Amino acid sequence: DTVLTQSPALAVSPGERVTISCRASESVSTLMHWYQQKPGQQPTLLIYLASNLESGVPARFSGSGSGTDFTLTIDPVEADDTATYYCQQSWNDPPTFGAGTKLELK
Amino acid sequence: VQLVESGGGLVQPGKSLKLSCSASGFTFSSYGMHWIRQAPGKGLDWVAYISSSSGTVYADAVKGRFTISRDNAKNTLYLQLNSLKSEDTAIYYCARSLMDYYSSPFAYWGQGTLVTVSS
Repeated sequence: DTVLTQSPALAVSPGERVTISCRASESVSTLMHWYQQKPGQQPTLLIYLASNLESGVPARFSGSGSGTDFTLTIDPVEADDTATYYCQQSWNDPPTFGAGTKLELK
Repeated sequence: VQLVESGGGLVQPGKSLKLSCSASGFTFSSYGMHWIRQAPGKGLDWVAYISSSSGTVYADAVKGRFTISRDNAKNTLYLQLNSLKSEDTAIYYCARSLMDYYSSPFAYWGQGTLVTVSS
């Protein structure tokens, strides 16, 4: 299975720019997607196909990358962005998720 | 789009359980659907997929034990869980694909139903 590696946690101040990285153990082309999960809630789709903003998601969120290296950027970060962020690939079978990056605000 | 799971609960190892996911707000028969689970305090694991034409794909960890199915007349997705193990303990989410193909991202999620496997 394709392993997706994410940093476990980040802490930033409101108004700053934050990048969350995701590295795949093999190429996933651009079939990389990002989800936000707040405590006690289900995940929601933020970015699909590496760089496409899902409808209704604030333009503060953006994604980039291809092959094995991907990033999710939040600029500027707001207090409501406290959550765990997961990357997920669907190029290789089975679909797999990263372990998640927990974003905390200072 | 609304997805509402039900059927979770406490079950003994080796027993069975059937989860349901009631869908509304879209043409259910036109979309592939997934089950994804999350063990307490852990990350997300994809479990199974069923296409709009009822083709199925399973994760190796559940192949032969779990069965995904759908009833388009009732707008309902199912997951039959057999031979349950303690490692199957998780919140089970149903999710709709953004578009009707297997590799499409998980665009809409239900609130989840908790399955606890314990004696």
